[in-house]
Amino acid sequence: DAKTTQPNSMESNEEEPVHLPCNHSTISGTDYIHWYRQLPSQGPEYVIHGLTSNVNNRMASLAIAEDRKSSTLILHRATLRDAAVYYCILNYQAGTALIFGKGTTLSVSS
Amino acid sequence: DVKVTQSSRYLVKRTGEKVFLECVQDMDHENMFWYRQDPGLGLRLIYFSYDVKMKEKGDIPEGYSVSREKKERFSLILESASTNQTSMYLCASSFTSGTYYEQYFGPGTRLTVT
Repeated sequence: DAKTTQPNSMESNEEEPVHLPCNHSTISGTDYIHWYRQLPSQGPEYVIHGLTSNVNNRMASLAIAEDRKSSTLILHRATLRDAAVYYCILNYQAGTALIFGKGTTLSVSS
Repeated sequence: DVKVTQSSRYLVKRTGEKVFLECVQDMDHENMFWYRQDPGLGLRLIYFSYDVKMKEKGDIPEGYSVSREKKERFSLILESASTNQTSMYLCASSFTSGTYYEQYFGPGTRLTVT
């Protein structure tokens, strides 16, 4: 399975943009890039996913490098509620199990 | 809203007890999963099921079994609980399709085996 590399932790201030990087140099052509996050004392929740093009939804944006070897999750205005562990996951097949790494712990200060 | 519910948020059991963790989803999802989460190890897949009465082993199935008699319910069974099974257990579900469907997770059950 292709692996992802994320920083262990990042810090942000409230209402500032946050860019969470993910490296996946061994990604295959059919791997989707997914982001999930896990708030304290909760199960993970889906954030966004993409294949080749940049993606936007109500929660975040996903910027994918042209060679697909890296991607960045962008939170446009961090709030205290965005403090969580963010996981970047590669998955080629819909409905299969996700392989979680250690993720990035995002801290948000007011 | 999609809901995945788990029978307990917190559970304390004794070594050697048989433990049942129940998971129910209300979105008619075909796939259901059981993960465990431990500090420093992240989430690891125990078992998954892609249809009623079907099951597949994940990365760490030893010491566990599962049951899926109805589409909406997926049970994780610890036949004889041991202290190294103290962990957070997370259930998830999703559709299966040629396109991507997100996984929905329950709130987790924190199991302590003493």
